[in-house]
Amino acid sequence: SQQGEEDPQALSIQEGENATMNCSYKTSINNLQWYRQNSGRGLVHLILIRSNEREKHSGRLRVTLDTSKKSSSLLITASRAADTASYFCATPASGGSYIPTFGRGTSLIVHP
Amino acid sequence: NAGVTQTPKFQVLKTGQSMTLQCAQDMNHEYMSWYRQDPGMGLRLIHYSVGAGITDQGEVPNGYNVSRSTTEDFPLRLLSAAPSQTSVYFCASSYSSLAVQETQYFGPGTRLLVL
Repeated sequence: SQQGEEDPQALSIQEGENATMNCSYKTSINNLQWYRQNSGRGLVHLILIRSNEREKHSGRLRVTLDTSKKSSSLLITASRAADTASYFCATPASGGSYIPTFGRGTSLIVHP
Repeated sequence: NAGVTQTPKFQVLKTGQSMTLQCAQDMNHEYMSWYRQDPGMGLRLIHYSVGAGITDQGEVPNGYNVSRSTTEDFPLRLLSAAPSQTSVYFCASSYSSLAVQETQYFGPGTRLLVL
């Protein structure tokens, strides 16, 4: 079963705008990861945030984690056409599991 | 390093045929897994392995078999293909068996069409 679910399912923005997508999960986690999938390709790891971290940055990416709300957000600042992809969060299959599962993803389209 | 490789890239099968999807990694990773990706369904875990000789079922294992005789290889076998198995299949690996704490490295995928 999928524990993490991304929202919105689809997002369409103009180049230069910020893109925000969210991930909600059901049980406690030790960490949460975000991945990107370009069309027709395998997933690529973006960032991992641990349960004792509230915010993490990597280049134009900012990830937040709110364990009290069981949610995480991925912010892409100053989006580029090359950011067009699907974005997935990975969480444990269940509380205490070491197996990662993925949600349905957010499809981001950045118009040039 | 080649990373995670998958063959074939694309395959067409007839209902009832069998085939093996190959997955190999050259990073000495303990953990390997197979996912299928269908439109609107995200990635669903089929089988996984935490080391040579050890495999276990994921969310959607029916109709698929796996084995892990070496650290490097993790083939996925379709015993009798059905149209419902039309999908894109991804293999992934990570350094340790504590996979949820590790970066997952994905292969390029195999597109399977079952007629």
